[in-house]
Amino acid sequence: AQSVTQPDIHITVSEGASLELRCNYSYGATPYLFWYVQSPGQGLQLLLKYFSGDTLVQGIKGFEAEFKRSQSSFNLRKPSVHWSDAAEYFCAVTSGGSYIPTFGRGTSLIVHP
Amino acid sequence: DAMVIQNPRYQVTQFGKPVTLSCSQTLNHNVMYWYQQKSSQAPKLLFHYYDKDFNNEADTPDNFQSRRPNTSFCFLDIRSPGLGDAAMYLCATSRDPGTDKNIQYFGAGTRLSVL
Repeated sequence: AQSVTQPDIHITVSEGASLELRCNYSYGATPYLFWYVQSPGQGLQLLLKYFSGDTLVQGIKGFEAEFKRSQSSFNLRKPSVHWSDAAEYFCAVTSGGSYIPTFGRGTSLIVHP
Repeated sequence: DAMVIQNPRYQVTQFGKPVTLSCSQTLNHNVMYWYQQKSSQAPKLLFHYYDKDFNNEADTPDNFQSRRPNTSFCFLDIRSPGLGDAAMYLCATSRDPGTDKNIQYFGAGTRLSVL
């Protein structure tokens, strides 16, 4: 069965510091990979996605993610975090076999001033 | 702007009193989903409609029902809410999965409290 692992429940960074949120997946087929962000009391918003091609993808709000097939990873990065980035971040995966995404449990980002 | 709208944003109901949550979309998407999300957890899919076809997740309690009278609207009915049903309920849509690899568009959610 497919699975998505976000090993960090909470990440704390200082404003202006760099950020990396980890995501690993277990999938037999070619995965389609997504990162969503959820601000408190809100729904999920798509940050970026990877379907094929260049393994480094750019998203909104200055985020990027890199697909590494050899490591089954799709880590989210940002070079300089802003206080408004404090939120819950979810990694999700679908494959050609199913259009229903599997979500990771989420990583809560805390930003210190 | 095209969007997914959920009403109400906050709903308080009494234990055992039926409640209906509403979702509408202006995206003209084929697929509509209902998720339950409890604090600090990933969204849990309850069911989804692919056009008029209803797809129930195997572990969704019978207490939860859904209706999709047309493309734009989808409702979540909780027939007899229990304390354990207090959660955020998220509606999402997507286009034909063959075109978009199933990018989902979420509403802001309805926070349900059960007293």
